[in-house]
Amino acid sequence: GAVVSQHPSWVICKSGTSVKIECRSLDFQATTMFWYRQFPKQSLMLMATSNEGSKATYEQGVEKDKFLINHASLTLSTLTVTSAHPEDSSFYICSAMDSRVGETQYFGPGTRLLVL
Amino acid sequence: KQEVTQIPAALSVPEGENLVLNCSFTDSAIYNLQWFRQDPGKGLTSLLLIQSSQREQTSGRLNASLDKSSGRSTLYIAASQPGDSATYLCAVSFGATNKLIFGTGTLLAVQP
Repeated sequence: GAVVSQHPSWVICKSGTSVKIECRSLDFQATTMFWYRQFPKQSLMLMATSNEGSKATYEQGVEKDKFLINHASLTLSTLTVTSAHPEDSSFYICSAMDSRVGETQYFGPGTRLLVL
Repeated sequence: KQEVTQIPAALSVPEGENLVLNCSFTDSAIYNLQWFRQDPGKGLTSLLLIQSSQREQTSGRLNASLDKSSGRSTLYIAASQPGDSATYLCAVSFGATNKLIFGTGTLLAVQP
């Protein structure tokens, strides 16, 4: 149980285009989802926290107009990188939890984004 | 600023050795601490979660300890195997928001 999927697993896009990444909780309801970014040989950095039905809370230094997060249902959150640039190339990982039953976050397999 | 640091950054051991990975955090008011494993290019696998009220957790060959007063946690791996090779991350939650602050990671290589 407690499986989180991400789609796509990898994406290559041209500079200036927008990319949408999906995060789904497959067998549980996720009241809260987190989005992380990981640059090569670095650790994970939290970008934002989203609660179902509410606006996302962004960490300091993360542009909310560039990284649009939607968490409209208890099983799906999306991260849209708008007008992507090469410096946005990274590994994006989501995690999901049901705060009503516990504190464990379940992580997705990640999405590798390469912006040319 | 809350920071999480892991040492060593990399570790190579022969198969069968017992080993210890270290994690330190700057704020003792933690909510919980987790250890994760990350294989190259992949997501995270949760290994152990220790609540702030606990001192250790065990799962198979893994044992994690927590000392809040000194701001430290250790992950002990017994009888290491080549399949244990991965990056090990510790992550600390400093409040009920469940936001995790990740450490810098330890890259472990177990030589057959």
